[in-house]
This record gives sequence, C-alpha cells and structure tokens, in this order.
Amino acid sequence: ETGVTQSPTHLIKTRGQQVTLRCSSQSGHNTVSWYQQALGQGPQFIFQYYREEENGRGNFPPRFSGLQFPNYSSELNVNALELDDSALYLCASSSIAGAASGEQYFGPGTRLTVT
Amino acid sequence: DAKTTQPPSMDCAEGRAANLPCNHSTISGNEYVYWYRQIHSQGPQYIIHGLKNNETNEMASLIITEDRKSSTLILPHATLRDTAVYYCIVSAPPPRFGNEKLTFGTGTRLTIIP
Repeated sequence: ETGVTQSPTHLIKTRGQQVTLRCSSQSGHNTVSWYQQALGQGPQFIFQYYREEENGRGNFPPRFSGLQFPNYSSELNVNALELDDSALYLCASSSIAGAASGEQYFGPGTRLTVT
Repeated sequence: DAKTTQPPSMDCAEGRAANLPCNHSTISGNEYVYWYRQIHSQGPQYIIHGLKNNETNEMASLIITEDRKSSTLILPHATLRDTAVYYCIVSAPPPRFGNEKLTFGTGTRLTIIP
C-alpha cells in the first residue's frame, strides 16, 4: 500500500504567477484535504474534496482552488501568487471507512517560495 | 480562536516517559481529542485519539481527565526519533462524507535529550 505522495517537492515562483500542486492519495482513500503551513506555525486547513466536489473550506480566498479526479488524486491551484503564499503545502487523505477514526494521512508536502 | 493550549517546548531524557499536557477547557460533549506529531521536514503523523476513555496504542497512551478539560499524551520510552512538534487537536466527529478538518495550533516542540 503506497502512502500519500506530493509533487513537486520544492517550487519557486514569482509574485503574480500561478501554481499547481499535485497529490496522490493513499490507496483506498477517497477524501483529500489541503493545508498550508507557514514557517513556525501549525498547518491551516484550506479545503477538502470528496467524490470530486469541495466538501468544506477554510478561510482562504477564491484564488485558492482545487480539483479531485476520479482516481481520488487532487490538485491545488493558486492564482495571482503573493509573497505570503510562501509556505509548505500539505495534502492529507482519508477514507469513509476510516472516517470514524478521524485519522488523516499526510504527504511530505510541497515547499513553495514566492519571490 | 485556539481550542487547545499546549506548552511551547519540553525536554525529555532518552528512555524516560514523555508526558505532554494539553488544556481544552471549552471542549464540547461530542468533540474528540486527537494527537498528531510532525517530525522536521515531514508531514504530520497521526498518533492517537479519544473521546472520554483513556486510550493506548503501539505509539502512545492518551489520558483524558474525567471533566475532559485536559489530557496528557504519554510516550512511554522516548527515543531520539520522537523529537518532533506535537499537536493536540479537538474536533467534532467526522461528518458522514469524510473527515472533519483539523485545526492545528502551534503545538509543543519536544526534544529528546541523549
């Protein structure tokens, strides 16, 4: 059973550009959540996808958007990048079967630097 | 608005039990207590969770006070690999369609001393 994978591992973008981050969920998991973690802070919830639809959103502007594909993999898109978007972006997967446990499995993250 | 309060840092000698406290005085009756940890440069890792009974698994034990306003995570025999930031999270039970979002604070930075 493979774990959660994310790509790329590191990325440098310029302010105003757009970025797409990718996540492959753990085998058998149908729910994907995205988090942003600024340096020295805990992860902050961006949104969650279940069955290809957004299933909850945190306090992030609309320029943060996402997709979930039929194979449950997911993308996080950020438009009009700002310097404050520099952070570690984490993807976490979970399954309905495991929903009662509340356990989420996190990937290693993508480190985004905006200059 | 933080739902949990944890000390910012703690040290523990290798081989001893590490006891990490967490205050959650405003916890609701249906909210669970979750513990995750994050080793440097990795994603958070689930450790354990509980509602009102004490819980134990292969990684740790979770002791929840009777009034549920605080809890303690116990790593029985700490090793250097347990050095990490430990997050205590309270969250409602997962909704039917998936898992509830996790609201992380700043956690406790635990350092295991050789």
